[in-house]
Amino acid sequence: DAGVIQSPRHEVTEMGQEVTLRCKPISGHNSLFWYRQTMMRGLELLIYFNNNVPIDDSGMPEDRFSAKMPNASFSTLKIQPSEPRDSAVYFCASSLAESMNTEAFFGQGTRLTVV
Amino acid sequence: DQQVKQNSPSLSVQEGRISILNCDYTNSMFDYFLWYKKYPAEGPTFLISISSIKDKNEDGRFTVFLNKSAKHLSLHIVPSQPGDSAVYFCAGLNSGSRLTFGEGTQLTVNP
Repeated sequence: DAGVIQSPRHEVTEMGQEVTLRCKPISGHNSLFWYRQTMMRGLELLIYFNNNVPIDDSGMPEDRFSAKMPNASFSTLKIQPSEPRDSAVYFCASSLAESMNTEAFFGQGTRLTVV
Repeated sequence: DQQVKQNSPSLSVQEGRISILNCDYTNSMFDYFLWYKKYPAEGPTFLISISSIKDKNEDGRFTVFLNKSAKHLSLHIVPSQPGDSAVYFCAGLNSGSRLTFGEGTQLTVNP
């Protein structure tokens, strides 16, 4: 397996534009997570899905952020409209939730810059 | 509410010496604690974990200690190597496989 695949690797956009980040989890994994990395707060959990259903979206900063998981092999994180303070690295991760000691496998991240 | 705290943003040690990375938590419901390592331009990768019912777990040069009464855990790396230079994240895991991470500590191992 190629691991968790995120696209794009880098995204530069103007303030007010819509941004869509994409993630393909590891095949067979049933939990998917979106994280945002910032200097101040480290890795913040934005939302996580279990069996394609959003379980906890309490970390989503505001209504400008939305996430979907239409099937087990694809998820998107959308920011509309984007703002400069959204600039960060966004990570997608997946895991197999059956085992309590399961670690999550991360993608390489999308570096988002909003100018 | 920062449930997992890593109070040291950076740590610098000499090659061959011990690196000790610290982590504090507030959530008593965590079942496991995990350490992840992150190199620049890469995603975090799992390093080592410990169950909340244990006080020590060792894997080669890496040992994690858990002090539940103090709600504190630490990662020991000995001997430290230049290739260990990375950002280390501590995380707590509760039911449903939800990981809560700390802010991370940048470890630099000098040759």
